[in-house]
Amino acid sequence: DAMVIQNPRYQVTQFGKPVTLSCSQTLNHNVMYWYQQKSSQAPKLLFHYYDKDFNNEADTPDNFQSRRPNTSFCFLDIRSPGLGDAAMYLCATSRRTGTGPGEQYFGPGTRLTVT
Amino acid sequence: GQNIDQPTEMTATEGAIVQINCTYQTSGFNGLFWYQQHAGEAPTFLSYNVLDGLEEKGRFSSFLSRSKGYSYLLLKELQMKDSASYLCAVIDSNYQLIWGAGTKLIIKP
Repeated sequence: DAMVIQNPRYQVTQFGKPVTLSCSQTLNHNVMYWYQQKSSQAPKLLFHYYDKDFNNEADTPDNFQSRRPNTSFCFLDIRSPGLGDAAMYLCATSRRTGTGPGEQYFGPGTRLTVT
Repeated sequence: GQNIDQPTEMTATEGAIVQINCTYQTSGFNGLFWYQQHAGEAPTFLSYNVLDGLEEKGRFSSFLSRSKGYSYLLLKELQMKDSASYLCAVIDSNYQLIWGAGTKLIIKP
């Protein structure tokens, strides 16, 4: 089945210790997104890739970086996690056409705990 | 600024009907999505509206009025498994998706 896969599902890291979250998709979608979602809040867009074009949201901290080595994979690097970075990190994909970004398909998310 | 308003929480009874409202003020409009999100899980797509009117899909329907900046999600024959958060999201003129904070729906027997 075509899907969006995130690994790991749960990640525990220490304060200040770099961590990488991964996302892969078999949908062959041209757009991939990373969201941060805290409890009872809307998903907050961190970045998105339209093919290889990287789009960083203006308020995304420099502590967050992303890589998309190919169409199928995308990584979120948190260089020095703080306690405030504990959240659910959601990867999503969509097929962008001339009429808009399309429906977003979400992976199961990675819940990050910072100790 | 861009803003999407939804009630924070609603309660309904199993078997009943509930309407979840969403109002938006965005820079342009290119469509509106409704997503369902169970606690601790990722959002899943429910509906997409770009033209005015009602879109029906089984027990769920979604309505849009672009002139009023208003949408609602109607859930019929409520089941316990419908307990979840319901997120409204609007595509603005830059084709960015603007998310509401979601409405937590609690279903009681």
